[in-house]
Amino acid sequence: DIQMTQSPSSLAASVGDRVTITCRASQSIMTYVNWYRQQPPKAPELLISRTSNLETGVPPRFSGSGSGTDFTLTISSLQSEDFATYYCQQSYSTPRTFGQGTKVEVK
Amino acid sequence: QVQLLESGPEVVKPSETLSLTCSVSGDSVSNDKYYWSWIRQPPGKGLEWIGYIFDSGTTKYKSSFTGRVTISVDMSKNQFSLRLTSVTAADTAVYFCARDRAYEFFFDSWGQGRLVTVSS
Repeated sequence: DIQMTQSPSSLAASVGDRVTITCRASQSIMTYVNWYRQQPPKAPELLISRTSNLETGVPPRFSGSGSGTDFTLTISSLQSEDFATYYCQQSYSTPRTFGQGTKVEVK
Repeated sequence: QVQLLESGPEVVKPSETLSLTCSVSGDSVSNDKYYWSWIRQPPGKGLEWIGYIFDSGTTKYKSSFTGRVTISVDMSKNQFSLRLTSVTAADTAVYFCARDRAYEFFFDSWGQGRLVTVSS
């Protein structure tokens, strides 16, 4: 199974901050990474597919980049609803696997 | 707008069978553009994909669940279901059903989740 490792596990930030979350795959997954936001106590919601494709309705402050084994999710200006946990997920092979999550907390 | 809703018992005894159903509205479980998946999240932990069903009956499971898990579909009710046998406390989790875009393998719609506790 492909392991996905996120860093950091948590971070503290303020509204308006630029936030970057990293995800590393245990082998090359080309550009097959997706990003989700989970606001407690809700289900995850898809933000970005295939590294950088913003889902319909997702604000443009979210962006993704990377290829191979290293990927990033960037929030250009953190909003109150962005205090949540973020997960990367690889869609290169089955089983689909997720990172352990990055919790974005209020500074 | 597709909606998914999980239903089933909230408490299951150890060694018994966990059974959940996902009711789908706004799309059809026979739509060949999508797979239909189950994912779980133990309290305070991350997400684990369990398996999917598509094409009216073809299934794929994570290997660690093979032998214990069955995903099935009822097209007449537009539902799909999860059965997990011989449960232990380690199976306590929020169970989500999700729509899984075929050949792209990401989850574009999720149910709200159902907390299932394994306890005697």
